[in-house]
Amino acid sequence: QKEVEQNSGPLSVPEGAIASLNCTYSDRGSQSFFWYRQYSGKSPELIMSIYSNGDKEDGRFTAQLNKASQYVSLLIRDSQPSDSATYLCALSRSGGSNYKLTFGKGTLLTVNP
Amino acid sequence: GAGVSQSPSNKVTEKGKDVELRCDPISGHTALYWYRQSLGQGLEFLIYFQGNSAPDKSGLPSDRFSAERTGGSVSTLTIQRTQQEDSAVYLCASSFSGSFQYEQYFGPGTRLTVT
Repeated sequence: QKEVEQNSGPLSVPEGAIASLNCTYSDRGSQSFFWYRQYSGKSPELIMSIYSNGDKEDGRFTAQLNKASQYVSLLIRDSQPSDSATYLCALSRSGGSNYKLTFGKGTLLTVNP
Repeated sequence: GAGVSQSPSNKVTEKGKDVELRCDPISGHTALYWYRQSLGQGLEFLIYFQGNSAPDKSGLPSDRFSAERTGGSVSTLTIQRTQQEDSAVYLCASSFSGSFQYEQYFGPGTRLTVT
């Protein structure tokens, strides 16, 4: 099993809909979870971080973490064409090197006007 | 405030040449990271600096790669005798401190092309 798995997509949603992006991971000791947005040709931009089970909301974005099931998700409400990008799930694993981020390969989201 | 800056933004070099990539972290951030993003490979960790501690070089792919951080701020990643497989985007990130609790912010990257 890959350390961090994401559906590569593309995930296509109409403008105004909710986009749901999912990520599963293999290391039960993973401690911190991050969602980055990456526009084509640009560097990753941090959107959300989540450290404990449950939901965390920030504007149109909600991150959800379920450590028992080893998944983390990102919901984007009222999706806009400007949300079209690749979304990267990242985590820091347990142990002494917990500063290292391990990334999934990303899900390409397309929001259609 | 200013984000992470990197230079150059693009670098084209001939196989066998040495290259230096520079990173200037966010002011006040003590932790600095280098990652590499290759087509189809995703983002991979290369090296980590935290203050005056010994760096974690475990992600460097070969001994042709080295990095230093001077004065706890600016970092330089050096690739000697470049190979075509070194072609990638090299990303620098920084965080307030080096721990799982701290969010990492990326610079714009340096796109390296080895011909």
